[in-house]
Amino acid sequence: EVQLVQSGAEVKKAGESLKISCKGSGYSFSNYWIAWVRQMPGKGLECMGIIYPGDSDVRYTPSFEGQVTISADKSMSTAHLQWSDLKASDTATYYCAKQRGDSSGYFFEDWGQGTLVTVTS
Amino acid sequence: QSMLTQPPSVSGAPGQTVTISCTGSSSNIGAGFDVHWYQQIPGTAPKLLIYGFSNRPSGVSDRFSVSKSGTSASLVITGLQAEDEADYYCQSYDRSLSGHYVFGTGTKVIVL
Repeated sequence: EVQLVQSGAEVKKAGESLKISCKGSGYSFSNYWIAWVRQMPGKGLECMGIIYPGDSDVRYTPSFEGQVTISADKSMSTAHLQWSDLKASDTATYYCAKQRGDSSGYFFEDWGQGTLVTVTS
Repeated sequence: QSMLTQPPSVSGAPGQTVTISCTGSSSNIGAGFDVHWYQQIPGTAPKLLIYGFSNRPSGVSDRFSVSKSGTSASLVITGLQAEDEADYYCQSYDRSLSGHYVFGTGTKVIVL
């Protein structure tokens, strides 16, 4: 069974740094792209970027480039999302999702449970 | 950021059929990229509902179906049930500079 288990909720102050994680199991972690998806309170889903753990190739959605860093440690089957300077507007739930691609296109087949990040000013 | 537009909400009585539209452009749906659909029950993670042309993951009811034409796609729920009350998102790929994988704005299905 594929599982993506994310780190727990965080409460931070504006200006602080933060790194959250997503550990995959039940499949070959290195061989599937992992996406990070933001959901601000009461809002929709936004793809921030994706990473291929096999070679750490990262593709950022332009609006998130420079705002966050996506990384992966394939030896630990874990992907990370980090901020160096949090803002109140980063308050959101962040999901990791395993991408699958076939003749039907590219979609997000499995999801982590989400990590709620609250940033106070 | 979203380049896929959905109605904020749709509603129907149990047993009825509801349709959720997903309107894109020539850089995403209109460019031939596939559309996929997710269901999110409030407070939980999104769940893949349908991918590509009506492919359903194991356990997803065949009451859910999709269609696609031009720059739009639709999710159809037949025989509406109370358990279908949730938020639904479409997703595709956009080849413009402003986004890669894009989600729709989301639609809340209300079962009356």
